[in-house]
Amino acid sequence: KAGVTQTPRYLIKTRGQQVTLSCSPISGHRSVSWYQQTPGQGLQFLFEYFSETQRNKGNFPGRFSGRQFSNSRSEMNVSTLELGDSALYLCASSKSRGPGETQYFGPGTRLLVL
Amino acid sequence: AQSVTQLDSQVPVFEEAPVELRCNYSSSVSVYLFWYVQYPNQGLQLLLKYLSGSTLVKGINGFEAEFNKSQTSFHLRKPSVHISDTAEYFCAVSDHPSGTYKYIFGTGTRLKVLA
Repeated sequence: KAGVTQTPRYLIKTRGQQVTLSCSPISGHRSVSWYQQTPGQGLQFLFEYFSETQRNKGNFPGRFSGRQFSNSRSEMNVSTLELGDSALYLCASSKSRGPGETQYFGPGTRLLVL
Repeated sequence: AQSVTQLDSQVPVFEEAPVELRCNYSSSVSVYLFWYVQYPNQGLQLLLKYLSGSTLVKGINGFEAEFNKSQTSFHLRKPSVHISDTAEYFCAVSDHPSGTYKYIFGTGTRLKVLA
């Protein structure tokens, strides 16, 4: 079974630009979560999607947004990029929602903002 | 809200020696705990998880963890480490207030296995 895939793996952007990251969950998984990983802040939860609806959102500004399609694939968008947005963005999928559901992570998209 | 504390940011250990990586969580009525490993330039891989039942949980690659409710701990152990275990290890708790579900991660522990 293929794992979680994320594209692109690496991105370089300049301040003020916008970026879209893509995540394809494991087949049959309906929940997709996004995390931002930085050396200073560690892993921080961005948002979770299930059945094309955002179910939960972390403490990030509105420049960060996402969506989920009917095939469970998800995208996240960051508008008006700032230097501090440089990070590894991780996508995780799980079969369903619920306490104790195991999340399976993709390799991440490494974003560098210049 | 839940929180997770990994007290050790870095742990150096010689090859074939035992290791313990510490994790403490904030108390909750029900708790679900996970350990993940992250190798350089890769995503997170699940090592093991505790949902209920036996407090000693065995995972992949020879790792195990013990859930201790009274001490609110979930420490990760391996009796004999290999060079290939060099990686960053994250403890996480599943937080689910009011029907929302997300992981709260600790800040990670870098395990450096020395030859």
